[in-house]
Amino acid sequence: GAGVSQSPSNKVTEKGKDVELRCDPISGHTALYWYRQRLGQGLEFLIYFQGNSAPDKSGLPSDRFSAERTGESVSTLTIQRTQQEDSAVYLCASSLRFGHIYGYTFGSGTRLTVV
Amino acid sequence: AQTVTQSQPEMSVQEAETVTLSCTYDTSENNYYLFWYKQPPSRQMILVIRQEAYKQQNATENRFSVNFQKAAKSFSLKISDSQLGDTAMYFCALRETSGSRLTFGEGTQLTVNP
Repeated sequence: GAGVSQSPSNKVTEKGKDVELRCDPISGHTALYWYRQRLGQGLEFLIYFQGNSAPDKSGLPSDRFSAERTGESVSTLTIQRTQQEDSAVYLCASSLRFGHIYGYTFGSGTRLTVV
Repeated sequence: AQTVTQSQPEMSVQEAETVTLSCTYDTSENNYYLFWYKQPPSRQMILVIRQEAYKQQNATENRFSVNFQKAAKSFSLKISDSQLGDTAMYFCALRETSGSRLTFGEGTQLTVNP
């Protein structure tokens, strides 16, 4: 597609439920990032995928968070047993391999509200 | 570890005037890239300007320019002739060439007043 697509745009879930967030990167973009943005705060790195290499999971805050990506396609971020502290906007970005040279494209994010 | 600090949570400027947003960073690398992103209420991050650390010349993009001071690890953004559409959250970001992580500051909310 023309841009990075994230779905759903908004998600309200009950505490303790699992949620799955989806990111469709730009076709041909080998790199994909997930970030968390709490209200009024900066972007917190969660995970990075680069082609078929092992992902950099060092930003995942707990074992309730996991992400998958097959090759250079869609990625899903799963949060199990959601907590109120998980409420945030989850942003996805993709780029060609050298994103710092060619640029990163961000999606519009998923706003997650845990009640 | 790389860090990015924006010390101004909020700034305001009158339309047509000039405003400067501050950013400092820390990295042990010599090769890295610095970015300013704009985030309007639509939430989508938009690249404003980018600077390669090995270039001494400050980057410019129309009304946007940076003051890159490598020794001081400072990377400020100057917006000239401010427009109402510049109202947004602005984030400074750092990407080390050897690493993979793109690290963001806390952001500065800029309001342009008519």
